[in-house]
This record gives sequence, structure tokens and C-alpha cells, in this order.
Amino acid sequence: TQLLEQSPQFLSIQEGENLTVYCNSSSVFSSLQWYRQEPGEGPVLLVTVVTGGEVKKLKRLTFQFGDARKDSSLHITAAQPGDTGLYLCAGVRGYQKVTFGTGTKLQVIP
Amino acid sequence: KAGVTQTPRYLIKTRGQQVTLSCSPISGHRSVSWYQQTPGQGLQFLFEYFSETQRNKGNFPGRFSGRQFSNSRSEMNVSTLELGDSALYLCASSRGEGGNEKLFFGSGTQLSVL
Repeated sequence: TQLLEQSPQFLSIQEGENLTVYCNSSSVFSSLQWYRQEPGEGPVLLVTVVTGGEVKKLKRLTFQFGDARKDSSLHITAAQPGDTGLYLCAGVRGYQKVTFGTGTKLQVIP
Repeated sequence: KAGVTQTPRYLIKTRGQQVTLSCSPISGHRSVSWYQQTPGQGLQFLFEYFSETQRNKGNFPGRFSGRQFSNSRSEMNVSTLELGDSALYLCASSRGEGGNEKLFFGSGTQLSVL
């Protein structure tokens, strides 16, 4: 059973466009992490959101944690080719293991 | 500070063989977690070790095992390999145990079972 569903699964856009990736669950998490993974490498942590309704910005990336702490979104403004990669959300429940989402593969075409 | 190092980078094995993968965590990190990544199933948790003790285990058969040494280095072993074991195996280290810790991933070992 996959606890964290991400949508869309694949996304191919032109440079300069905006996009939003969603991470949804029926479970409540104490925090939610977003990772980016490039081909041939392991995932790299981008951000952790902890409080319901929290919004964090990382340059052109905006992360939001749902009020009920069951879902999250990642919005990229003016996407660049360097944003290409696999985006993974990961839910954390206390001291339990991290549960990863299904992933969103993003391709930004120059 | 050196990152998480996984060896080997690539591995080709045949069905029925066994394989051992190695992970050296970031200096000072005491927790090591292992994940299996496949296109169909995504990132699946295998197990977590902290101070040489297995703390958590995912839903994988007993053919998958691991251990952690006193210097925090970890190995995972897969016995009687099956075609479905072909995957990228990722190791992540963190300072402490538990989900609230920041995970640092290695580049993985790409295992192909023929």
C-alpha cells in the first residue's frame, strides 16, 4: 500500500513555464520532506515542512504543507533545465521510518 | 566532509547468486538506512541500523539482510537472487535515528540480475 501518492507522475514542460506537483495521503504526518533526485544519483533533501499550512520558499521553488498535515505541494516558477529530475515527497511520523511518495519525473526542455 | 559512499557502483549477477553491498556513512553519523528503488515500486524501505542494532525493517523477504559495524559502516546482503531484485539500492545516513533526522543519500548501487 502506497501511503503517499504524487501527481502528476510525469511532466514535460518548456523552459520558463510554471508547474505544481502534488503529494497526497490519507494519513497525518508530523513533517513532510521534498527531495530531488538526478539520474545516477541519490535523492537530495530540498526542504522539510513541519507546521500545518506552512509555506517555505527556496529560490523559485515554493513548498506548502496542508493545514491537516496530510498533503503538500511543490510549485516551481519559471522552470529551468536544471530543475529536471525526479521529485519525491516523504512523510515522517515521529520516530518511524520515512515513507516516500511515488515520485514525479520532471523534464524541462530548453 | 565526505558524503555517503556506496560500493560497488554497478553489479551484474545471475539468478541464485548472492550479493553484498557496502555503505560508508558520513563521519559522525550513526544511523544507516537502506532503500530499494525500482521504476514500478519507487523507493521502498528495507531496514535501518543505529549503533549496530536494527531499529526498523520494511516488508522484504528474509533473503534481504543487513548489518552495521562499530564504525557505523553498513552492509546489506541479498541471497538467492531473483530477477525482481534488479534495482538501484540506496543507502542513507543520518546523525541520529528516526524519521525526523535529515537523510543524506549515497549514489547507490545498480544491481542487475540476469
